[in-house]
Amino acid sequence: AQTVTQSQPEMSVQEAETVTLSCTYDTSENNYYLFWYKQPPSRQMILVIRQEAYKQQNATENRFSVNFQKAAKSFSLKISDSQLGDTAMYFCASYKNNAGNMLTFGGGTRLMVKP
Amino acid sequence: GAVVSQHPSRVICKSGTSVKIECRSLDFQATTMFWYRQFPKQSLMLMATSNEGSKATYEQGVEKDKFLINHASLTLSTLTVTSAHPEDSSFYICSARSWGDGPNSPLHFGNGTRLTVT
Repeated sequence: AQTVTQSQPEMSVQEAETVTLSCTYDTSENNYYLFWYKQPPSRQMILVIRQEAYKQQNATENRFSVNFQKAAKSFSLKISDSQLGDTAMYFCASYKNNAGNMLTFGGGTRLMVKP
Repeated sequence: GAVVSQHPSRVICKSGTSVKIECRSLDFQATTMFWYRQFPKQSLMLMATSNEGSKATYEQGVEKDKFLINHASLTLSTLTVTSAHPEDSSFYICSARSWGDGPNSPLHFGNGTRLTVT
C-alpha cells in the first residue's frame, strides 16, 4: 500500500516570499508518479505540478518547483514569489503506474499568503 | 482541456431519502472514474473506482449498498447515496481519466458536490 504524509497542517507566508511544503511517501514500487494539487476555497482540485519517479530532474512549473529526493521518499513543493491567489489547501498525491491511476492523497497543508 | 462536470454542486435532502450525483466527462471518454469523499478540513478519501460497463470497486469500509455507483457509458458515472443520514453529509468529488491518456497524466476533477442531510 502507498501512504502519503504531509506533516504541516497549516502554513503562512508573506506575499512575494518563498515557502516550502513538505511531503513524504511510502511505497515499495519502483515506478510511480507524484503530484501536488491545489484546492482553493472553490473546492476545485487544480494540478500544480507532477513528477515521475524515474526522472531525477526536479519538475518546475513557473513559480512552483519540487525537491524530489527518491531515496528519502520526500517530495516537497516550493512556491516562489508567493501571491495572494496561492492561498489554498495543497495536497500531495501519488499513484502507481499499474494501479489504475488511483490517487492516494496526503492529509493536506493549508497555506495562507498574507499581504 | 479535459472537463469533468459534476452535478449538482449543492444538495440538501432529508434523512432517509436518496440522492444521485452525476459525473460527466464533457469532451473525452473516461473508462475509469473515481469517487472521493472529503470531510471538512480533511483530505480526499477514495470511496470507489468506477469502470464503464462493470461493477465498481469499493474501498474497504465503504458500504456498496449505501453508495451505489453506476458507470453506464464512457462519459457518465453516477453516485447514489441511498437512505441518506446526517453522517453522510460531506463533500463528494469525482475524477476521471481519459481513455487515451498516458500513465503520468493527471486525473481530471469535477467541481464537487456538497451534500447536506437534515
